[in-house]
Amino acid sequence: NAGVTQTPKFRVLKTGQSMTLLCAQDMNHEYMYWYRQDPGMGLRLIHYSVGEGTTAKGEVPDGYNVSRLKKQNFLLGLESAAPSQTSVYFCASSYVHTDTQYFGPGTRLTVL
Amino acid sequence: SQQGEEDPQALSIQEGENATMNCSYKTSINNLQWYRQNSGRGLVHLILIRSNEREKHSGRLRVTLDTSKKSSSLLITASRAADTASYFCATSGNNRLAFGKGNQVVVIP
Repeated sequence: NAGVTQTPKFRVLKTGQSMTLLCAQDMNHEYMYWYRQDPGMGLRLIHYSVGEGTTAKGEVPDGYNVSRLKKQNFLLGLESAAPSQTSVYFCASSYVHTDTQYFGPGTRLTVL
Repeated sequence: SQQGEEDPQALSIQEGENATMNCSYKTSINNLQWYRQNSGRGLVHLILIRSNEREKHSGRLRVTLDTSKKSSSLLITASRAADTASYFCATSGNNRLAFGKGNQVVVIP
C-alpha cells in the first residue's frame, strides 16, 4: 500500500496564479485533512472532509478551496496565490475522525 | 486554546540516554497523540492515549497523561541517533486534532 501520496512535491508560483494540490489515499479512510506547516507555528488545519462529497472549514480556510469528489482523493486549490501562502502543505487521512492520522510526504509551495 | 504546547522546545542528548518531553493543554480532550517528523518528511504517528488512560507503552516509548494537570509526557528510552527528529503532541477535541509547535530532539552518536 502506498498510504497517503501528494502531488506535486515542490511548486513555485507567482502571486495571483492558481494551482491544485492532489492528495490520494489507498486505505479506504473516510476522513481526510489538509494542513499547512510554517516555521514556529506547528500544523494548522485548513479544511477537512468527513466523507465523499463533504468538506468543512478548519482553522485557516481563507484563500483555499477543497473538493472530495472521490473517497480516495482530496484536492486543495489556491485560486489566487499570495506570498502568505508560502508553506509546506500536508495531507492526512484517518479511519476515525481525530484518531490516528496518516500523513503524506508534503508539498513545499513557494509564492513569489 | 486546545492546542498542545511542548516543553522543552529543543533537546540535545547523547545516544543511549533517555529523552523526556512534556505537553500541556488547556481544554478537555478525547485523546492525546504524539507524532514524529524527520527533517523534510511527513508526520508519523507514534502513540495515542485516551482521556481515561494514564500510561501507555510502545517499544521504547512511554506516554503518560494527567488530565487533572492537563499534561502529558513522552519518554524515549535508550535513545538512538535515528530518534533525531521533531516531536509533536496533538490533542483531540472540539471535532478536530490540534497540534503543538513541536519539540526538536537531537541525539548525538
